[in-house]
Amino acid sequence: AQSVTQLDSQVPVFEEAPVELRCNYSSSVSVYLFWYVQYPNQGLQLLLKYLSGSTLVESINGFEAEFNKSQTSFHLRKPSVHISDTAEYFCAVSDLGRDDKIIFGKGTRLHILP
Amino acid sequence: GAGVSQSPSNKVTEKGKDVELRCDPISGHTALYWYRQSLGQGLEFLIYFQGNSAPDKSGLPSDRFSAERTGGSVSTLTIQRTQQEDSAVYLCASSLGVGEAFFGQGTRLTVV
Repeated sequence: AQSVTQLDSQVPVFEEAPVELRCNYSSSVSVYLFWYVQYPNQGLQLLLKYLSGSTLVESINGFEAEFNKSQTSFHLRKPSVHISDTAEYFCAVSDLGRDDKIIFGKGTRLHILP
Repeated sequence: GAGVSQSPSNKVTEKGKDVELRCDPISGHTALYWYRQSLGQGLEFLIYFQGNSAPDKSGLPSDRFSAERTGGSVSTLTIQRTQQEDSAVYLCASSLGVGEAFFGQGTRLTVV
């Protein structure tokens, strides 16, 4: 069965420093990949997604993620974080051609330190 | 509706009682998911519907949990004989096939 691994449950980082949140998924021929964000006391919302085409996808608030098929990874990065980026981030994968359901990782809590 | 709607938003129940949680997905969305989010436990998959059928019930934690979906739309998650460990936020999401999932605000269940 498809699975998603987010190795880091928590990541502390200083404000204006770069950050990378790691995500790996179990191998499959074709997948869609997503990052969701949950701000404190809010619901989950889509941050960015990879469906096809360019392997580098970006969000409107400066995050980017790169689909790496050979490493089955979809790490999320931001060159300079802001206090408002404090949130929990979830990686998700949809396995095309199987049952198509979306599987989520356990999440990574990003702590921005002043 | 405009988004995924869940009701109630909060539910406090006594241990041993049954509860029903409701999810109204976005109109036309064929896929519907239930997840559970507990403090420190991340996002736990419970069940997935494609139309009215549930090809994957593997995440239901025990036989006290059941879910159904009718008319390819509304879904209810039922927990019988609630236990304190059932306390969590129950999230519903819907999607158009393999597209992105849209989440509701969740139902916060507290078992006392």
